[in-house]
Amino acid sequence: EDQVTQSPEALRLQEGESSSLNCSYTVSGLRGLFWYRQDPGKGPEFLFTLYSAGEEKEKERLKATLTKKESFLHITAPKPEDSATYLCAVSRQGAQKLVFGQGTRLTINP
Amino acid sequence: DVKVTQSSRYLVKRTGEKVFLECVQDMDHENMFWYRQDPGLGLRLIYFSYDVKMKEKGDIPEGYSVSREKKERFSLILESASTNQTSMYLCASSLYTSGSKYEQYFGPGTRLTVT
Repeated sequence: EDQVTQSPEALRLQEGESSSLNCSYTVSGLRGLFWYRQDPGKGPEFLFTLYSAGEEKEKERLKATLTKKESFLHITAPKPEDSATYLCAVSRQGAQKLVFGQGTRLTINP
Repeated sequence: DVKVTQSSRYLVKRTGEKVFLECVQDMDHENMFWYRQDPGLGLRLIYFSYDVKMKEKGDIPEGYSVSREKKERFSLILESASTNQTSMYLCASSLYTSGSKYEQYFGPGTRLTVT
């Protein structure tokens, strides 16, 4: 069974304090790994897709990386507006659905 | 920009009522999905559709049905609402079934309360 585990569950940082969120996955034949951002009471917002180990993608203060077992979302010099829940999901080859992790709730204090 | 809209942001219904949640996407996406999101349980797939009039069960289809009569519209139906269906319902769509463009784009969600 495909599984996604995110850690930590919650993370509180000071503005400017860089850190990383982890997404460990078990899937038979990875087709893609996805990162989403979700603000309270809203739908998830798509950030990145990673397809193969070694791939990296960047957007503003966020960088996502992928290995054969896990993905990291690195946040560099975060600002309070980066506060949100970050969700990781995987899709296996031949399947339509995404399997989501529980998310990491990130809080950036000014 | 991809736009996925849902018919209501908040909905309150009584136990036993038939409930319709509607979702519309404006980017000619082939695939559409319905999820529910609950604290501690994360996002769970209810149903999805990969073409007009085609549907497949997700992980938790019991108590729900769906309808896709037009490519841009995907409806979730609660045949007889129960209190355990109180949840945030999220609709999503994606472009391709193969190739690289299959990330899902989500709507704003409908917070359904069944009393």
